[in-house]
Amino acid sequence: DQQVKQNSPSLSVQEGRISILNCDYTNSMFDYFLWYKKYPAEGPTFLISISSIKDKNEDGRFTVFLNKSAKHLSLHIVPSQPGDSAVYFCAAAVWGAQKLVFGQGTRLTINP
Amino acid sequence: AAGVIQSPRHLIKEKRETATLKCYPIPRHDTVYWYQQGPGQDPQFLISFYEKMQSDKGSIPDRFSAQQFSDYHSELNMSSLELGDSALYFCASSLRDRGFSGNTIYFGEGSWLTVV
Repeated sequence: DQQVKQNSPSLSVQEGRISILNCDYTNSMFDYFLWYKKYPAEGPTFLISISSIKDKNEDGRFTVFLNKSAKHLSLHIVPSQPGDSAVYFCAAAVWGAQKLVFGQGTRLTINP
Repeated sequence: AAGVIQSPRHLIKEKRETATLKCYPIPRHDTVYWYQQGPGQDPQFLISFYEKMQSDKGSIPDRFSAQQFSDYHSELNMSSLELGDSALYFCASSLRDRGFSGNTIYFGEGSWLTVV
């Protein structure tokens, strides 16, 4: 039972354009959502998060949107840069449970 | 700044053998998490420890065991290895008093286990 789903295994975007990565979840108990970025042979690094009391959180070029009724969140990167090429994991948690449930990841490639 | 250290980084074992992975959390972090990421799969939570006690358990097989020691490092022991155990094993650490949020959980670079 995949509670967190990233249906696009890969995405290619032109440098300077907007990258939009999507994530869906099924467990309505989740109230905290995170995006992690992972380079090959490295551990995931935290990118941005959002709690269920918000519908948007912005940090520089990265913005996460949360649609609770649709159980959907998305990560927007604008403008996209070559260094953004990595695998992006969506993760969800029940606040305080200290356990992350990850999606399958989306490999983002930024083309010059 | 010191990060989460995992060892060994790469390990090759034969079926039915035993493997031990080690995780050294960031100094003063009191919580350790273990995740398993199979080829082409998402990271799956295995188990976590807080102050040397098991705090949560995920999809960890009975053949696996783990513990957190007095110096807060943790070891994941895997016995009767199967081909399907080949994966990247991540350890992460956090300081519980800081609260639970993405920017307080730090991941190590992972230990690659290959079972042949």
